[in-house]
Amino acid sequence: RKEVEQDPGPFNVPEGATVAFNCTYSNSASQSFFWYRQDCRKEPKLLMSVYSSGNEDGRFTAQLNRASQYISLLIRDSKLSDSATYLCVVLDTGFQKLVFGTGTRLLVSP
Amino acid sequence: EAQVTQNPRYLITVTGKKLTVTCSQNMNHEYMSWYRQDPGLGLRQIYYSMNVEVTDKGDVPEGYKVSRKEKRNFPLILESPSPNQTSLYFCASSFLGSYNEQFFGPGTRLTVL
Repeated sequence: RKEVEQDPGPFNVPEGATVAFNCTYSNSASQSFFWYRQDCRKEPKLLMSVYSSGNEDGRFTAQLNRASQYISLLIRDSKLSDSATYLCVVLDTGFQKLVFGTGTRLLVSP
Repeated sequence: EAQVTQNPRYLITVTGKKLTVTCSQNMNHEYMSWYRQDPGLGLRQIYYSMNVEVTDKGDVPEGYKVSRKEKRNFPLILESPSPNQTSLYFCASSFLGSYNEQFFGPGTRLTVL
């Protein structure tokens, strides 16, 4: 089983739609979780951290369910510029490294 | 401007011809890391370094070497490249303990024929 699993997509949505991505992780001892965004053939960039209580940054909401080992990202009012691949990332504190999911591709169309 | 730079950005080479991909950061970060990204496999860590002269293997270190003689530089060396090392490579850096916010270089697309 992969350490971090994501649906690869692509998710095709119209502008203005709400879309949600899910991610599961296998290590129950994991403490820190993040979403990174990666544009085509570009470097990944930190989008937001995921906190236990859930957190919001503008149109983006991240949720964590420790019992189910499940992380989600909700994007409201999708923009064309949201088209990208979204990487679910878990911090492996034991080895002091980030473990990346394979990413979920989002395509927002006019 | 705070940044991580990599060179070259694109490289096509042949099997067995030694090559080095350079990585440099200007943020005084202690932690540096190399990843490769392949379709369906995501980003996988090759090597990392916690500080000068301190390096360690990541998940896929076979066929690679690194060195950290200076804090700002972390070159990736392929002594004898093979076609299965064709990939997109990213260097990243962060402060120790701030692994969540790693700053990535622009990537190096390597093709080994």
